[in-house]
Amino acid sequence: EAGVVQSPRYKIIEKKQPVAFWCNPISGHNTLYWYLQNLGQGPELLIRYENEEAVDDSQLPKDRFSAERLKGVDSTLKIQPAELGDSAVYLCASSYGTSNTGELFFGEGSRLTVL
Amino acid sequence: KQEVTQIPAALSVPEGENLVLNCSFTDSAIYNLQWFRQDPGKGLTSLLLIQSSQREQTSGRLNASLDKSSGRSTLYIAASQPGDSATYLCAVPSGSARQLTFGSGTQLTVLP
Repeated sequence: EAGVVQSPRYKIIEKKQPVAFWCNPISGHNTLYWYLQNLGQGPELLIRYENEEAVDDSQLPKDRFSAERLKGVDSTLKIQPAELGDSAVYLCASSYGTSNTGELFFGEGSRLTVL
Repeated sequence: KQEVTQIPAALSVPEGENLVLNCSFTDSAIYNLQWFRQDPGKGLTSLLLIQSSQREQTSGRLNASLDKSSGRSTLYIAASQPGDSATYLCAVPSGSARQLTFGSGTQLTVLP
């Protein structure tokens, strides 16, 4: 069974440029998460989807970040414009069901460097 | 607000040693607790999920325990191997939104 797939694995951009990350969750997983992880820290939630609905986006900086999950499967996270402080690893995860208490499965992450 | 703490931040042990990693949380009203492993430059791999009604969970050389009343969980690794070297993180969903809160992790190095 394929795991959570993310792309690109690495992205280097100049500040003020846009960037987008893509995630394909495990087949059948209703809940999809985007996390941000800084070096030496645990992941922090940006947004959680239950099917195609964003049910928790309280920590998403909505002035520059946006996300969508079309048809309740794949998801895209966009940053526009990127700032130096956005350099981090962006992790996508998925879980079965919608209780938000299921086991989480993570992708390899997308490492963003903003110059 | 839930806070999750993992001490120590880093640990180095010789191969073959049994070891314990600690995780503490401030809000005992948790649904479960999950332990993850993260290798450098990689995503997180789920190791064990303990439900709030369970006291412990085992998988191979790993044993995780949960004491909700004291707000603590431990991950016991038996007969450590160099391949166990990684960062180990714990996480708990809590609150009405069941938002997952992660600790900062313990970076484990097992020396050959």
